[in-house]
Amino acid sequence: AQKITQTQPGMFVQEKEAVTLDCTYDTSDPSYGLFWYKQPSSGEMIFLIYQGSYDQQNATEGRYSLNFQKARKSANLVISASQLGDSAMYFCAMRVSLSNQGGKLIFGQGTELSVKP
Amino acid sequence: EPEVTQTPSHQVTQMGQEVILRCVPISNHLYFYWYRQILGQKVEFLVSFYNNEISEKSEIFDDQFSVERPDGSNFTLKIRSTKLEDSAMYFCASDRDSYEQYFGPGTRLTVT
Repeated sequence: AQKITQTQPGMFVQEKEAVTLDCTYDTSDPSYGLFWYKQPSSGEMIFLIYQGSYDQQNATEGRYSLNFQKARKSANLVISASQLGDSAMYFCAMRVSLSNQGGKLIFGQGTELSVKP
Repeated sequence: EPEVTQTPSHQVTQMGQEVILRCVPISNHLYFYWYRQILGQKVEFLVSFYNNEISEKSEIFDDQFSVERPDGSNFTLKIRSTKLEDSAMYFCASDRDSYEQYFGPGTRLTVT
């Protein structure tokens, strides 16, 4: 069965510090993609970063990086230099069966990040 | 930058009524999705749509739900007879490959 697990319901971080949000996944499919989305209190889903299962390097997008450890089946999000605007819910998601018919996203439960001034 | 749009942003309906949630995916995208998020919970997949037909649906997507792409731009989710437990945020998403899936801003459905 395909599953995403986020074990941290809530996290606090001091402004300007780095924070790691944990995500583990389970799939037997060799071809998959891992995503992180940010959901602020306004409710929209904002794409942050993507890692493909065959990518050799860890993905980075500005202050976001994904610590991909394939053998451990983990895809942790690292946010560097936290800002107050980073306070939001963060969802890890997985997409399997990267076929030409698209593929649904399977989401974790989310981690609520609070950045303290 | 192109974006997925959804209307209305908030819909209030009475139990047993039919509702239609509307989405305009990004114009050159090929795959379309509906997800829902009950308040305080994770986002759940409902249905995917490709080449004018459903490609996959979840257990949640029962006979009360249907999707349609009535023209070249709109993608709709219909709930035939709403129940209290259908109250949730409904997200439409689209993509054209296996990479980023673009989400709309969501429609908050409240069933009373």
